[in-house]
Amino acid sequence: QSVLTQPPSASGTPGQRVTISCSGSSSNIGGNYVYWYQQLPGTAPKLLIYRNDQRPSGVRDRFSGSKSGNSASLAISGLRSEDEAYYYCSSWDDRLSGSVVFGGGTKLTVL
Amino acid sequence: QVQLVQSGAEVKKPGASVKVSCKASGYTFSTYDINWVRQATGQGLEWMGWMNPKSGNTGYARKFQGRVTMTRNTSMSTAYMELSSLTSEDTAVYYCARGLDNSREFDPWGQGTLVIVSS
Repeated sequence: QSVLTQPPSASGTPGQRVTISCSGSSSNIGGNYVYWYQQLPGTAPKLLIYRNDQRPSGVRDRFSGSKSGNSASLAISGLRSEDEAYYYCSSWDDRLSGSVVFGGGTKLTVL
Repeated sequence: QVQLVQSGAEVKKPGASVKVSCKASGYTFSTYDINWVRQATGQGLEWMGWMNPKSGNTGYARKFQGRVTMTRNTSMSTAYMELSSLTSEDTAVYYCARGLDNSREFDPWGQGTLVIVSS
């Protein structure tokens, strides 16, 4: 059972815009930054969004992040087949001496 | 470019220990923490802890305290994660990742090391 809650799956057709939600609490998302990672099949996770809504260099502007209260979202516009992957949110949790917590992951399928 | 290269797959018996290495290149090793994250087959990501290469200070997730040890060899720019008293539930891919933003942001990640625990 993950501390952060994500839908297990999401889907869209090429060109569509999809959003993936990530829900937490005041001890994690509510008081700390949110990060998003993309994990393509058989590969290591890759940083996609940092500090809620910032894109590392090299990440396309089709990917965007936002945060409101104890929840965050990842939006992918102009969906492409190569976006099919697992997406994980993470944040710091202030409880129990602090720890990094992850969502359970969302499998994005491009139909 | 910044890169983390991990050691190869391991097969261990229950009760044994495993030590995974993570060699950093492309940046000053002592400047950033190294974190460890594991992923059981078909499961999500689980954070294990962090290690500061400059001081050797560590911070472990409560679940692994007493069973995990994170160390480093600064002359070789290499970090290590040792997990003891292995059970089948420790079968997973173990990743190292450079910690940014007070070690809450992970970039990049190593390629992963598969550890299989089986009798």
